[in-house]
This record gives sequence, C-alpha cells and structure tokens, in this order.
Amino acid sequence: GEDVEQSLFLSVREGDSSVINCTYTDSSSTYLYWYKQEPGAGLQLLTYIFSNMDMKQDQRLTVLLNKKDKHLSLRIADTQTGDSAIYFCAELSSNTGKLIFGQGTTLQVKP
Amino acid sequence: DAGVTQSPTHLIKTRGQHVTLRCSPISGHKSVSWYQQVLGQGPQFIFQYYEKEERGRGNFPDRFSARQFPNYSSELNVNALLLGDSALYLCASSSSTSGFYNEQFFGPGTRLTVL
Repeated sequence: GEDVEQSLFLSVREGDSSVINCTYTDSSSTYLYWYKQEPGAGLQLLTYIFSNMDMKQDQRLTVLLNKKDKHLSLRIADTQTGDSAIYFCAELSSNTGKLIFGQGTTLQVKP
Repeated sequence: DAGVTQSPTHLIKTRGQHVTLRCSPISGHKSVSWYQQVLGQGPQFIFQYYEKEERGRGNFPDRFSARQFPNYSSELNVNALLLGDSALYLCASSSSTSGFYNEQFFGPGTRLTVL
C-alpha cells in the first residue's frame, strides 16, 4: 500500500539546524517532495528530489534520500523563526499521479 | 501571472446541505487535483482531472463529485454534508498528470465548516 509517516513535532533554537524525517512505502515513487504550510495558508513547495538521487541541496535546505530504507529527510540550516510551520513529506504515485502526504511535522523555532 | 485561485475562501453549511467549491488553475495547466485536509492531518487525495476527464479518484464516498470545464477550471461538489466533511479543501494544478515530474501548485484552499 501507499503510506507516508512523519514525526509530529520538532522544537529547535534559532540558528540551529532542523532535521525532519519521513518514511514512505511505495518503492515505485518517482518524486518525493517537501511542502511547507503556515497557519491558515495553503501548501508551498519547498523542494523535491527524484528517486534516483541521494541528495539535493538548495540554499539552506538539504534533502537526503535513502531509497533502500525508504527514508527521506529535510535539513534546514540556520533555522529562523520564520521557518516555524508544518512540514509535509509527500510521494508522487507513478501510477496515478496523486500525491500521498504524511501527517505533517510541526516545527517550532524558539528565539 | 495569477496562481491557483479558489472560491469561496470560507464557507459555513449545515448537515445535509450541498456545497460547490471552485478552482481556477494556472494559465496553461490542464490538470486539476482536489485534496481534503482535515485539521491536524495531511491532505488526502480526492480527485484528479485532466482534459475534462477523471484520471484518478481517492477513497471518498459517492457524495463527492467533481467536474472540469473546457477552460480547465473545476468544481468539487459534496452532497448530504456530514460534520466530518469539515476541512480545508485544496486545489492543485499541474501541466500534466502522472509518471513524470509535474509540480503541483496549490491554491490557498476553501475552509468548509459543517455545523
């Protein structure tokens, strides 16, 4: 089946690095995504990684993919208070084109 | 360029009523998907339409239906509303459907409250 799991909550201090983890089950997924959702807002695509890549870096964001363990992580360097939000991991089902989301990780950044 | 737009932004209905939510995709995008996000959870896939045809359907009852118009805008209809239908309904548009990278751009959502 298709399932995506995330830890529910992460608290860090401003300036520290944040690491948000995700596991998925669909080994045929072609793309994996990280979305950010601020209170009362829609979803903002932060970054994505193709399934044949191990790592992707984009400014303060680093995505690591362990395809063998079906584990995805998002590292945010120098976390700021503006990074406080809910972060969703999602996999793209190659069969249906639908996105399968995790339940979201709430990131709290303390000043 | 305008992003994905949805209307209305907020809606309050009572149990048993019917609701229609609307979505306009980004210009040039032919695919529209609908997701339901219940408070505290991740979005759940409801429908995907491409070129006015249904291409995918999630695990939702027949009370949920949708359609896509010639201009690629879309409507999501929900009949016989239940309290559990209270959620943020998100629309996403993309230029294609499946199998390849196709970034899905999300609208701000319609928050539906069923009393």
